[in-house]
Amino acid sequence: DSGVTQTPKHLITATGQRVTLRCSPRSGDLSVYWYQQSLDQGLQFLIQYYNGEERAKGNILERFSAQQFPDLHSELNLSSLELGDSALYFCASSVASGNTIYFGEGSWLTVV
Amino acid sequence: AQKVTQAQTEISVVEKEDVTLDCVYETRDTTYYLFWYKQPPSGELVFLIRRNSFDEQNEISGRYSWNFQKSTSSFNFTITASQVVDSAVYFCALIRSNFGNEKLTFGTGTRLTIIP
Repeated sequence: DSGVTQTPKHLITATGQRVTLRCSPRSGDLSVYWYQQSLDQGLQFLIQYYNGEERAKGNILERFSAQQFPDLHSELNLSSLELGDSALYFCASSVASGNTIYFGEGSWLTVV
Repeated sequence: AQKVTQAQTEISVVEKEDVTLDCVYETRDTTYYLFWYKQPPSGELVFLIRRNSFDEQNEISGRYSWNFQKSTSSFNFTITASQVVDSAVYFCALIRSNFGNEKLTFGTGTRLTIIP
């Protein structure tokens, strides 16, 4: 158990819909990261937050957005879903720069 | 730009054999960190090791060992006396040390199958 909690673990939704994935980082970790893992793209970095502020952005679509709240939990919002958004979405956290990054168990999203 | 290459897409070995997973990286940074993660069939990403660019000492943890060589930009992972539970996809990853602005770059992974 990494200490990073993600909900829901599995989600099936229809095209055009909107979903929210939730992440609670390890106790004491200020950085939260979101990654997408799909069969054709591998593990792709989406976005990073540090203590509530956005710090780095990767290949995140405009239909996707994220935020980190004052209690440090984070949410990833995916809207206007397409079939190609079906993937395993990981949240990860770390204390600070250079420290180990621990991943949650992931949220399996299936868009039908 | 950073890049991590895991040239071995799939490896199969018979149980109890030793196996080495290769990882080659590219970065212009002098300070960086290298990681290995294991992804078993259940899907989670399990942290195995973190190594900073100034520490080239090899590390051994039980049946696992890692060989870090800056001269060849490689960070290889060896499993000794493999077991069926070692079957998984293994990812090598690289992160630059730039406080507050970090991106973990993953290789494409090596799928390891241990045959009983």
